[in-house]
Amino acid sequence: DTGVSQNPRHKITKRGQNVTFRCDPISEHNRLYWYRQTLGQGPEFLTYFQNEAQLEKSRLLSDRFSAERPKGSFSTLEIQRTEQGDSAMYLCASRPTGAQGYTFGSGTRLTVV
Amino acid sequence: KNEVEQSPQNLTAQEGEFITINCSYSVGISALHWLQQHPGGGIVSLFMLSSGKKKHGRLIATINIQEKHSSLHITASHPRDSAVYICAVFNNNDMRFGAGTRLTVKP
Repeated sequence: DTGVSQNPRHKITKRGQNVTFRCDPISEHNRLYWYRQTLGQGPEFLTYFQNEAQLEKSRLLSDRFSAERPKGSFSTLEIQRTEQGDSAMYLCASRPTGAQGYTFGSGTRLTVV
Repeated sequence: KNEVEQSPQNLTAQEGEFITINCSYSVGISALHWLQQHPGGGIVSLFMLSSGKKKHGRLIATINIQEKHSSLHITASHPRDSAVYICAVFNNNDMRFGAGTRLTVKP
């Protein structure tokens, strides 16, 4: 296992298009988190899963955002009708329940033009 | 006011200098993390602390739980230390992040 994997690394899309990102966590990690990071800021929490259950969603996650983890393994984050304000780095992290150490992916950098 | 405040926001140093980055937080925590983020975006965990002090190579992290403050020190800094250093606090089920300190070490 090579850690948390995110795809794609970079995505450029036109305003109004839909985009989907994928995160493959470390296999034995049942907690999976999505964060958004804009320039000059620390990551902001979006949502997290325990196995396939989505347990918490931030107010930042508008109706245009949806996240799934259908089999409790990989997760997808979809943004519909993208806006320029959605341009950011989207980070995924995972950890085992009960552990306090996170493992982060390299992120997907989204640019909406 | 953010729950996690870091200072300074930006720091430029000459190679070999001793560097200190500070973090203050306002919430109860069970652990504090220092993270390193390079320009490509990936985040690496440097330390996880709940009390006292930890050392790893040229990096030292300290935490004062009563004062809700932590510091990250880099001794004999090197250009390869150039990165963004992020303080994050773990509370219940989630982490809250500081905005990061951008460190540039010049040769």
